[in-house]
Amino acid sequence: SAVISQKPSRDICQRGTSLTIQCQVDSQVTMMFWYRQQPGQSLTLIATANQGSEATYESGFVIDKFPISRPNLTFSTLTVSNLSPEDSSIYLCSVDRGIGEAFFGQGTRLTVV
Amino acid sequence: GENVEQHPSTLSVQEGDSAVIKCTYSDSASNYFPWYKQELGKGPQLIIDIRSNVGEKKDQRIAVTLNKTAKHFSLHITETQPEDSAVYFCAASTPRGNQFYFGTGTSLTVIP
Repeated sequence: SAVISQKPSRDICQRGTSLTIQCQVDSQVTMMFWYRQQPGQSLTLIATANQGSEATYESGFVIDKFPISRPNLTFSTLTVSNLSPEDSSIYLCSVDRGIGEAFFGQGTRLTVV
Repeated sequence: GENVEQHPSTLSVQEGDSAVIKCTYSDSASNYFPWYKQELGKGPQLIIDIRSNVGEKKDQRIAVTLNKTAKHFSLHITETQPEDSAVYFCAASTPRGNQFYFGTGTSLTVIP
C-alpha cells in the first residue's frame, strides 16, 4: 500500500475564496489523481496529475476552476477556486504505484459558506 | 466509457449474518475490479480486488467473485461484525489502468 497524507483534513471557506489541498506520498509515484465526492455520492475523477506535464482534466472540470500542481514525484496540490456552496464536497487524492491499484488519502472535507 | 452499477444502495444485516453487494460493468475491456471500504470521515480503503483472469478470491471473511461473461462481480462478507459497518464502493478499470470507474456505493449497517 501507500501512505498518503492530505492537508487540510477539513476546512470551512467563504464563497469567492480559494482552497489549496496538499497531497504528500511516502514514495515516488508516476500518477496522482484528484477525485471529488459530493455528499452521499460516489467518487468522480477531476484530473490526473503527472510530474512534468500539464494535468489532464475530465469532462466537466477545467483548469481555471481546479488548478493542479505536481512539482515532484511525491507531492501534488489541488486548488478549488472561486468557491461556491456547490463546491462543498470531499476532495480525495489517489495514487497508482504502477500496478494498477489505487490508494487514497483520508480526504479533505470542504464546506463553503 | 465504462458504466458501473452497484446494488443495493443500503443494506442492513444482523451481526453474524452474511452481506452481499453486487456490481455490473459495461466495458468488456475492464480487467481489474477493486472494492473499497469507506468509514465516516475517512478516505476509501482497498479491502480486496480481483483481476479478470480469476473467478474468485478470498481473504478471511471477505470474498469477491467475478463473472466476465455476465459482466458482474460481487463482494461477500461472512460473519459480519459491527465494525464492518461502512460504505462500500466497487470499481472497474481497463488495461490502461489509470482510470477507475466507481459504483454508487452501498451503505452497510451491521446490527449488533
